[in-house]
Amino acid sequence: EAGVAQSPRYKIIEKRQSVAFWCNPISGHATLYWYQQILGQGPKLLIQFQNNGVVDDSQLPKDRFSAERLKGVDSTLKIQPAKLEDSAVYLCASSLDLGSSTDTQYFGPGTRLTVL
Amino acid sequence: DQQVKQNSPSLSVQEGRISILNCDYTNSMFDYFLWYKKYPAEGPTFLISISSIKDKNEDGRFTVFLNKSAKHLSLHIVPSQPGDSAVYFCAASGRGGGADGLTFGKGTHLIIQP
Repeated sequence: EAGVAQSPRYKIIEKRQSVAFWCNPISGHATLYWYQQILGQGPKLLIQFQNNGVVDDSQLPKDRFSAERLKGVDSTLKIQPAKLEDSAVYLCASSLDLGSSTDTQYFGPGTRLTVL
Repeated sequence: DQQVKQNSPSLSVQEGRISILNCDYTNSMFDYFLWYKKYPAEGPTFLISISSIKDKNEDGRFTVFLNKSAKHLSLHIVPSQPGDSAVYFCAASGRGGGADGLTFGKGTHLIIQP
């Protein structure tokens, strides 16, 4: 079974530029998550989708971050404009069940973003 | 405020001995706890979990203990092997309303010495 796919793996941009990340979850997984992991910290949830609807985006900085999950499969996360503090690894995860807190989340390899 | 705390940034253990990683939490709404293992340049990999209705869960060399009254959990690895060297994250979920995003600690870097 293929895992969670993410691209690109690395991205370097100047501050105030825009960037987008792509995630393809495990086939059949209804729930998709985006996490931000700053160096030396644990991953922090940005947004949770259930199919193509948003369940939780309370920690998403909505003035510059946006995310969508069209057709309930792939998802994109965008930052516009980027700031220096956005330098982090952006992790995508997916899980099978609908709204179960005991459901296992499977993570992709992440996209490492460096903002100069 | 940090709701999940891993107070040891690193831990060094000799191969063959027991590794004990600790985690504390503050949010009493959490009802499911997980440990993830992470190698460099890879995403976290699920290791083991425990529901709040249990106090112990075992899977091979890995055992997780939960003390709800103390809001504390620990991961025991025995015997420790060189391949166990990685960063271990404690995570919790159960905020209700269908929102199941995990809250992670900062991680503990486990180093297994030969």
